[in-house]
Amino acid sequence: EAGVAQSPRYKIIEKRQSVAFWCNPISGHATLYWYQQILGQGPKLLIQFQNNGVVDDSQLPKDRFSAERLKGVDSTLKIQPAKLEDSAVYLCASSLDTSRLAGRRETQYFGPGTRLLVL
Amino acid sequence: AQKITQTQPGMFVQEKEAVTLDCTYDTSDPSYGLFWYKQPSSGEMIFLIYQGSYDQQNATEGRYSLNFQKARKSANLVISASQLGDSAMYFCAMRRGGSQGNLIFGKGTKLSVKP
Repeated sequence: EAGVAQSPRYKIIEKRQSVAFWCNPISGHATLYWYQQILGQGPKLLIQFQNNGVVDDSQLPKDRFSAERLKGVDSTLKIQPAKLEDSAVYLCASSLDTSRLAGRRETQYFGPGTRLLVL
Repeated sequence: AQKITQTQPGMFVQEKEAVTLDCTYDTSDPSYGLFWYKQPSSGEMIFLIYQGSYDQQNATEGRYSLNFQKARKSANLVISASQLGDSAMYFCAMRRGGSQGNLIFGKGTKLSVKP
């Protein structure tokens, strides 16, 4: 079974530029998450999708960050314009279906992440 | 507020010995899930083990076991027979109760296995 795919793996941009990340979840997983992990910290949720609907985007800086999952499969996360403090690893994860939380069905599987450096 | 606390920034263990990584959590929800993930230097978060709040027995997955003490709100990870490849960051996480399943993570513990 293929895991969560993300691209690019690395990105270096200058502040005020824009950048986009792509994620393809595990086949059949209805729930998709984007996390931001700043160096030395644990991941922090940015946005959560259930199929193509947003479940939680309370911690997404909506003035500069946007995300979509139009067909309920792939997702893109965009930053425009980027700031220095956006330098982090952006992790995408997926899980089967959290609308019916039941033990290991809620386990989230992560992709390799995208390391973003904003100069 | 829901919170995960990992008090050990770094730990050392000799190869082939066992090690315990501490995790305490805070929640008022009766139903929750606890997870441990491993993050090697490559950056990917690797799922290790899961414990549900209503599970009667402590979870085990190969060399990993979870010492779940509900009254003390602790969920320590025990790695038996440490291997050099176990050197990594380890994160404890909790599913936020009442929401749709996203995770709250601790700050992590860096484990170094010595040969």
